[in-house]
Amino acid sequence: AAGVIQSPRHLIKEKRETATLKCYPIPRHDTVYWYQQGPGQDPQFLISFYEKMQSDKGSIPDRFSAQQFSDYHSELNMSSLELGDSALYFCASEGAGSGTQYFGPGTRLLVL
Amino acid sequence: GQQVMQIPQYQHVQEGEDFTTYCNSSTTLSNIQWYKQRPGGHPVFLIQLVKSGEVKKQKRLTFQFGEAKKNSSLHITATQTTDVGTYFCAGPDAGGTSYGKLTFGQGTILTVHP
Repeated sequence: AAGVIQSPRHLIKEKRETATLKCYPIPRHDTVYWYQQGPGQDPQFLISFYEKMQSDKGSIPDRFSAQQFSDYHSELNMSSLELGDSALYFCASEGAGSGTQYFGPGTRLLVL
Repeated sequence: GQQVMQIPQYQHVQEGEDFTTYCNSSTTLSNIQWYKQRPGGHPVFLIQLVKSGEVKKQKRLTFQFGEAKKNSSLHITATQTTDVGTYFCAGPDAGGTSYGKLTFGQGTILTVHP
């Protein structure tokens, strides 16, 4: 079965640079969630989209923005990167209000 | 906001021993979900419990949802080395709806000694 695809899998950036993370949800899933997971931490919700509209917002810095496109893929744009942004970024997709979220493999971001 | 507490934080067992992790929410949940995350991996969905008092089994794993729908447990019988990982409970935090952003417990890190 098709899973959630995230790219890139690993990313190394310098402070103050920008990064774009991409997420391709499971086919026919209409909802995408973004989570940030620091070392030894549980995933923290950032933002979500349903049918290409932002549906909820969590602890996402103003330096970050995201959108969901017509093909339902989503991109998380991160600007003015800080050392503290180093983390695993997961995208999860959900279909038709099922309440079950399927996580992608994540993007490991390292900010130097 | 909603808080989900999970204990213990760590559990070390010998292979063949049982393991249980407990999850408690500050609010009533419409459902609770359990995920397993292997070291270096991503959270993998295990199960969703919806009904009050629900009990579900997956081979050696038994999941329970409390009567008040505020707590849950995951019990593994006769652990194996393949059970190693972090087990997270998570509940939707969307004003009582059954979907929406998940609030995760802190996770229980399980290590199994052969």
